[in-house]
Amino acid sequence: QVQLHESGPGLVKPSETLPLTCSVSGGSINGHSWSWIRQPPGKGLEWIGHVDVRGNTYFNPSLKSRVTISVDTSKNGVSLNLNSVTAADAAVYFCARGGGYDISTGYWSFFDFWGQGTQVTVSS
Amino acid sequence: SALTQPASVSGSPGQSITISCTGANSDVGGYTFVSWYQQHPGKAPKPIIYAVTNRPSGVSHRFSGSKSGNTASLTISGLQAEDEAYYYCASYTTSATVLFGGGTKVTVL
Repeated sequence: QVQLHESGPGLVKPSETLPLTCSVSGGSINGHSWSWIRQPPGKGLEWIGHVDVRGNTYFNPSLKSRVTISVDTSKNGVSLNLNSVTAADAAVYFCARGGGYDISTGYWSFFDFWGQGTQVTVSS
Repeated sequence: SALTQPASVSGSPGQSITISCTGANSDVGGYTFVSWYQQHPGKAPKPIIYAVTNRPSGVSHRFSGSKSGNTASLTISGLQAEDEAYYYCASYTTSATVLFGGGTKVTVL
């Protein structure tokens, strides 16, 4: 069974960079797309972005200028960096397998496995 | 902007309810890539429908999905107390991004 586990600083200061890591166990990171999704307190889900099977990245237009997502095959993990954070970035951050479109198969991968989420607070 | 879902839907045990998810030609209407997720408070979302009508392994047959034009729908049949949760739709878009719906709170009366 594939398991995902997010980790990172629970508290980040305004204007700083939020670094998060998603560790994947029970399966290989290769051959799949990987996404980051967040949920502000009391609100709905917001797709942040994903990295597809070829290593291409796609981002929510509202966050594109501040986000990077990358895969670390040596650690079987996926990382997220969100810079210049503000209070509006406070949320539970989830990593999930899927979200990418495979042009060779014409298939879009839904989010089939999720981590438990990690809470991020933005405060000085 | 997010896909449009009703904020809340309620029903009595045993009844059927339907949640709508309205988008545009560039997302819901343009692909069969709509999925639905169930989220209980404090938990991670769980996929219950993918590719409009398909159920992942282990998901109850009481959950079913459909789509007509730019609107996708999730139906829960034989409503049970454990179905009380938030439900979110998601769709791939022509911009190679993903949109979620705003979420629907299902209450079992």
